[in-house]
Amino acid sequence: AQKVTQAQTEISVVEKEDVTLDCVYETRDTTYYLFWYKQPPSGELVFLIRRNSFDEQNEISGRYSWNFQKSTSSFNFTITASQVVDSAVYFCALSTSGGGNKLTFGTGTQLKVEL
Amino acid sequence: ETGVTQTPRHLVMGMTNKKSLKCEQHLGHNAMYWYKQSAKKPLELMFVYSLEERVENNSVPSRFSPECPNSSHLFLHLHTLQPEDSALYLCASSQDREGTPNTQYFGPGTRLTVL
Repeated sequence: AQKVTQAQTEISVVEKEDVTLDCVYETRDTTYYLFWYKQPPSGELVFLIRRNSFDEQNEISGRYSWNFQKSTSSFNFTITASQVVDSAVYFCALSTSGGGNKLTFGTGTQLKVEL
Repeated sequence: ETGVTQTPRHLVMGMTNKKSLKCEQHLGHNAMYWYKQSAKKPLELMFVYSLEERVENNSVPSRFSPECPNSSHLFLHLHTLQPEDSALYLCASSQDREGTPNTQYFGPGTRLTVL
């Protein structure tokens, strides 16, 4: 069975601070895929990144970066120099090659960025 | 143009009403999904359609009835709902390839309130 844990329910930061959102996953499959989605107040889940289990390279996209560590089963997400527009709920998700296209989501982390 | 659209965005219905939610994807994908998002709970997968055939029904009550007339459209027919069915209903689509979980792209959701 797959499981995704996002232990941080809510985080509040002041604009321009860096913030890291934690994601820990569990799976017995050796081939799996990890995702991050952003859900702003409008409701739509916006895809941010997809990473497969064979690619442990960290990734940077603008102010966003992701740290994938198989040794600790973690796929953490860092926002550098946060902005008010980053305020949203962020979801980490997992799918496996043996699980079809089923996504297992974490419970999400509410990020509030204040001026 | 938004990749996945959903109508209506908001719906209020009584327990004896019959209504339908509509989802349309403009991404050329061959798989579509319905999810339910309730407060304080992880996203729950309800139904999966691949190549217009239902491949997953996650023990959803029969008062929810999906329909996928073609690869671009997905409906969720609702009847005799309960107040606990009030939630955000999200539609998603992906390009389904055997053995490879692919990125799901989500619509903005329909906020359903059952009185």
